[in-house]
Amino acid sequence: GDSVTQMEGPVTLSEEAFLTINCTYTATGYPSLFWYVQYPGEGLQLLLKATKADDKGSNKGFEATYRKETTSFHLEKGSVQVSDSAVYFCARWNNDMRFGAGTRLTVKP
Amino acid sequence: DTAVSQTPKYLVTQMGNDKSIKCEQNLGHDTMYWYKQDSKKFLKIMFSYNNKELIINETVPNRFSPKSPDKAHLNLHINSLELGDSAVYFCASSGTSGRARSSYNEQFFGPGTRLTVL
Repeated sequence: GDSVTQMEGPVTLSEEAFLTINCTYTATGYPSLFWYVQYPGEGLQLLLKATKADDKGSNKGFEATYRKETTSFHLEKGSVQVSDSAVYFCARWNNDMRFGAGTRLTVKP
Repeated sequence: DTAVSQTPKYLVTQMGNDKSIKCEQNLGHDTMYWYKQDSKKFLKIMFSYNNKELIINETVPNRFSPKSPDKAHLNLHINSLELGDSAVYFCASSGTSGRARSSYNEQFFGPGTRLTVL
């Protein structure tokens, strides 16, 4: 059935490093795609979204492009900060919301 | 000005007890959800209600019973708690009306309730 697969963590980076977290999906039709972020002890917050092919979602320096040909929505940031340490969830909406398994990112000073 | 709130934030209880978690949203949304997040952060949908009607009921033991007295509330009651029920439970809401229109089914999450069954 439909699913979301994202890169397994944990991911540990130094401050100012480049970040990529891979996400691929399977779905019928044209799902909407999301990245959510969960900071320690908090609920999930929407980070960015894209609703059709070739759309680029962006927020707080993070970007992800909806690639229908590769069914991917990889999250990138050019220069991570310690405050970006969190768990990141890729998700797709196609009649219901399905989340990936989450990727824990730790950024060290 | 809390959007989605849950009570309690922490719940510690013995096996076999019955407990409830409450959720309220003041966003004017018409759809609410319950998710379970395990210790590895895996997030699984349990239930979804739209205008007080159940629309998603994943494979969840029938010890779990959601109740929606009105559009703004979706409570989760759990009977005969088991060790494996220990997790963080998140409530969420979405909707195309109200003071926080969520386009394309963006969901707004509560802060979570950490349930520990001893």
